[in-house]
Amino acid sequence: DAKTTQPTSMDCAEGRAANLPCNHSTISGNEYVYWYRQIHSQGPQYIIHGLKNNETNEMASLIITEDRKSSTLILPHATLRDTAVYYCIVVNSGGSNYKLTFGKGTLLTVNP
Amino acid sequence: ETGVTQSPTHLIKTRGQQVTLRCSSQSGHNTVSWYQQALGQGPQFIFQYYREEENGRGNFPPRFSGLQFPNYSSELNVNALELDDSALYLCASSLVGLAANTQYFGPGTRLTVL
Repeated sequence: DAKTTQPTSMDCAEGRAANLPCNHSTISGNEYVYWYRQIHSQGPQYIIHGLKNNETNEMASLIITEDRKSSTLILPHATLRDTAVYYCIVVNSGGSNYKLTFGKGTLLTVNP
Repeated sequence: ETGVTQSPTHLIKTRGQQVTLRCSSQSGHNTVSWYQQALGQGPQFIFQYYREEENGRGNFPPRFSGLQFPNYSSELNVNALELDDSALYLCASSLVGLAANTQYFGPGTRLTVL
């Protein structure tokens, strides 16, 4: 699986959009970009995933560049409850055997 | 729809003992993966079970073993516990067969080895 690079930490003001970047320059054609977040001592929470096109759901938007070498997770109106570690993970979609390889993620702190 | 559940929530064991952790998959899911998360680290893949057989394993010794049952629930067994086994153990379920097999995590079991 391709490796990802994320900033160690970011701050965001409550109510503003949080834009979390991720670089995955070695991504291959059948690999998806997944985003999870983890609030302290809880299980990771699935946010969104995409292959080529931009995606949006009730939690967030995922913008993937045309060359697929980077992506941005957007939380449109961050709240204090969005403070968490956000993980960008590249996953091979082939077959039934796959694992999530977590890096260190980005600690997003939403400030009042 | 019931999400992924894990039991127990917390557990304290002593070095050398054995432990069994349990996981119930989300309804409709057929695959279970287990992860270990040490304090301050990201989760590390232990192994995955699909159709009641191990279907991939991370860099963990054989004293980490598992089972998947016909109802797709799963157990993680750890023998000869070591102090470094103290961690949050996470179970994730997914439905293999879709193009992207999204894993959904349970709340975890916090294991402390003294």
